[in-house]
Amino acid sequence: NAGVMQNPRHLVRRRGQEARLRCSPMKGHSHVYWYRQLPEEGLKFMVYLQKENIIDESGMPKERFSAEFPKEGPSILRIQQVVRGDSAAYFCASSLDTPQGYTFGSGTRLTVV
Amino acid sequence: QKEVEQNSGPLSVPEGAIASLNCTYSDRVSQSFFWYRQYSGKSPELIMSIYSNGDKEDGRFTAQLNKASQYVSLLIRDSQPSDSATYLCAVNPGSGTYKYIFGTGTRLKVLA
Repeated sequence: NAGVMQNPRHLVRRRGQEARLRCSPMKGHSHVYWYRQLPEEGLKFMVYLQKENIIDESGMPKERFSAEFPKEGPSILRIQQVVRGDSAAYFCASSLDTPQGYTFGSGTRLTVV
Repeated sequence: QKEVEQNSGPLSVPEGAIASLNCTYSDRVSQSFFWYRQYSGKSPELIMSIYSNGDKEDGRFTAQLNKASQYVSLLIRDSQPSDSATYLCAVNPGSGTYKYIFGTGTRLKVLA
């Protein structure tokens, strides 16, 4: 039973390019959460999605960032026109229903050069 | 603004000693509390959850919660060098929200 799968593990983008981060939840899980961890900082909530719906995006920057969780396929976190300040580790977690502690994926480490 | 505060450390303890990690939170209505361990370059790993006042033990780990003081702690008995990591405290404020508020973590070093 695979855990939460994220890919790619490492992603390097030049300023102005787009970054696409993918998250496949644990089997049977329909709730996905994205968090960002900046260097030397704690994890910050970004967005909570259920299949085909964004439930809470209160932690998402207003511009350039978007997320989706389609009926089929992984959840995608998309960052357009990346800037150096977007360099961080992005973690995804999933749950069946109300989470009793998230299980995180291995994360995607984005570096913007 | 809801906050979770932790001492950044590093907290250094000798092998075999008890490590005590502390966390305070600002939102009185918080319902659920979690401790995560994060090794450098890795993802956070859930090690303990606690929901009611008092102590909860799991192996070498004990979580302690005092809602009146808005304080949660993690004790690690018989500390091992492999326990050296950053420990993150997370709080779920409740009220129907699924998001967690994380502290910035305490770095623990267990000296062999």
